[in-house]
Amino acid sequence: QDQLVQSGFEVKKPGASVKVSCKASGYTFTKYGISWVRQAPGQGLEWMGWISANDGNTIYAQSLQGRVTMTTDTSTSTAYLELRSLRSDDTAVYYCARRRSDALDVWGQGTSVIVSS
Amino acid sequence: DIQMTQSPPSLSASVGDRVAITCRASQSISFYLNWYQQKPGEAPKLLISTASNLHTGVPSRFSGSGSGTDFTLTIKSLQPEDFATYYCQQSYSSPQTFGQGTKVEI
Repeated sequence: QDQLVQSGFEVKKPGASVKVSCKASGYTFTKYGISWVRQAPGQGLEWMGWISANDGNTIYAQSLQGRVTMTTDTSTSTAYLELRSLRSDDTAVYYCARRRSDALDVWGQGTSVIVSS
Repeated sequence: DIQMTQSPPSLSASVGDRVAITCRASQSISFYLNWYQQKPGEAPKLLISTASNLHTGVPSRFSGSGSGTDFTLTIKSLQPEDFATYYCQQSYSSPQTFGQGTKVEI
């Protein structure tokens, strides 16, 4: 079945960077884009951006511009999210999700990122 | 950015109740509105796409309606497994903002 499997739990210090991976299986990776969504503890969902798995085009949330990079590796059907200059308010669960027909129909299991000194 | 406002923020209901959750967009988004269900410790799951299209495998007690700025998610007869938080999301333009969520409690 179509699936997205994310990398594991991360603990980072303020100012560091984190790179989260999201490996797709069960479908043709380049056929759909990948969106990234995060959720701070006890909070709602925040859309971070989207990358086309076909051509690598990206759209980022304005609030993260300059700190975020989304990439894909089509040879391994994997999407990556890199977030730099981490702050304590970046502590969240980070989700990748497949964007199909204007909705997020398959989600990864989430990657917990804690930013703490 | 398009703001999405859900109401109510939370509600208490019983098994068998009919429940309606509304979502209002700050500008017209046509029918580009999706609904997700999230249970504690789990990733969100797609329920309804483009305002009224039931996602594969989602029970028919869930339905969506609306267009333009006002949308509704209805659960016809609440089941024990439906106690969760529900989010709307607009996919009309980036950033593809979410509502703040509606927690459905017993």
